[in-house]
Amino acid sequence: EDKVVQSPLSLVVHEGDTVTLNCSYEVTNFRSLLWYKQEKKAPTFLFMLTSSGIEKKSGRLSSILDKKELFSILNITATQTGDSAVYLCAVKDDKIIFGKGTRLHILP
Amino acid sequence: DSGVTQTPKHLITATGQRVTLRCSPRSGDLSVYWYQQSLDQGLQFLIQYYNGEERAKGNILERFSAQQFPDLHSELNLSSLELGDSALYFCASSPPGGAAYNEQFFGPGTRLTVL
Repeated sequence: EDKVVQSPLSLVVHEGDTVTLNCSYEVTNFRSLLWYKQEKKAPTFLFMLTSSGIEKKSGRLSSILDKKELFSILNITATQTGDSAVYLCAVKDDKIIFGKGTRLHILP
Repeated sequence: DSGVTQTPKHLITATGQRVTLRCSPRSGDLSVYWYQQSLDQGLQFLIQYYNGEERAKGNILERFSAQQFPDLHSELNLSSLELGDSALYFCASSPPGGAAYNEQFFGPGTRLTVL
């Protein structure tokens, strides 16, 4: 059965800390992996990864994919309270499968 | 604002009823995706349309159906509603030219409450 598993489920850190969120997957026909940030509304797109070993970076956020080990990580450095959200990982094969998300809470 | 619009914003109805949720994709986007998000199940992919044709199917119940019209807006029909259908329903769209490799833009969602 195709699945996407995110860990940890929940994370609480202090402002300024660095966090690493994990996403592992098992799908039949991998095409791409996407990361989204969801606050109290619709998910907003962060990254799309299709190739192993190439880091995508946007400000304090970065992500990388390992297609051999079937996982991706999302790093957030120098966290801020505005980073508090649920981070969703999704994998596209013939359909789209989302993980249950990691709930990140940043304490001031 | 992603450019994807959904109506209504909230919907409260009774068990056994039927409702229609509407989505307009971003200008130029040909793909429309429907998702259901509930607290216990997370975000579940329901169905995808591309330029009017069904492209992929996820965990969509037989009581649910969808279509995409020539003007590319889409409707999700939910019938014989049950309490468990209460959820946030999102629509997303993506640009043409290889939808599998394109990001999706999510609408604000329709919150459905079945009493």
